[in-house]
Amino acid sequence: DIQMTQSPSSLSASVGDRVTITCRASQDINNYLAWFQQKPGTAPKSLIYGSSSLHSGVPSRFSGTASGTDFTLTISSLQPEDFATYYCQQYHSYPLTFGGGSKVEIK
Amino acid sequence: EVQLVESGGGLVQPGESLRLSCAASGFIFSSYWMTWVRQAPGKGLEWVANIKDDGGEKYYVDSVRGRFTISRDNTENSLYLQMSSLRAEDTAVYYCARDVGEAMTDYWGQGTLVTVSS
Repeated sequence: DIQMTQSPSSLSASVGDRVTITCRASQDINNYLAWFQQKPGTAPKSLIYGSSSLHSGVPSRFSGTASGTDFTLTISSLQPEDFATYYCQQYHSYPLTFGGGSKVEIK
Repeated sequence: EVQLVESGGGLVQPGESLRLSCAASGFIFSSYWMTWVRQAPGKGLEWVANIKDDGGEKYYVDSVRGRFTISRDNTENSLYLQMSSLRAEDTAVYYCARDVGEAMTDYWGQGTLVTVSS
């Protein structure tokens, strides 16, 4: 199985901060990498697919990049509605696997 | 508007069975792969299974293979997850989701809670 290692597991940030979350795959996933946002008590929301393509309606302050097996989700200017937990997922090989999550909290 | 509405969750005892349903609307259901993902209380997301648009291919995570069966009825625009021999570790919120292509998830349902406890 492909292991997805996410870091940090949590972080504190202020509104307006630039936030970066990293996800590392245990083997090549050919950029088949997605990012999801989940707020407490609600279903996940799809943000990014193909490591860098935004789903329709996702604000442009969200971006994704890839370098080999390392993937990054960046929020350029954190907004109040962005405080949530973020998950990466590889969809290159079965079983599909998620990272452990990164919780973004208010500083 | 894409809508996915799960139902069928509840409290069951270990070893019992349960069938989850997901009613889809707002898109051509028969053209999309569909997925089940679960989340144990306070834990992260875990992919459970997915099924091809015509039902001809199905994939499972090892921990449920042989106990869970994913299926669909394209005439009813519905996705199902038949769960048997349930264990305490199957306790989770179960989400159905739509996939673009084989496994790229774009829309999620609101989830249904399954609790396995004696």
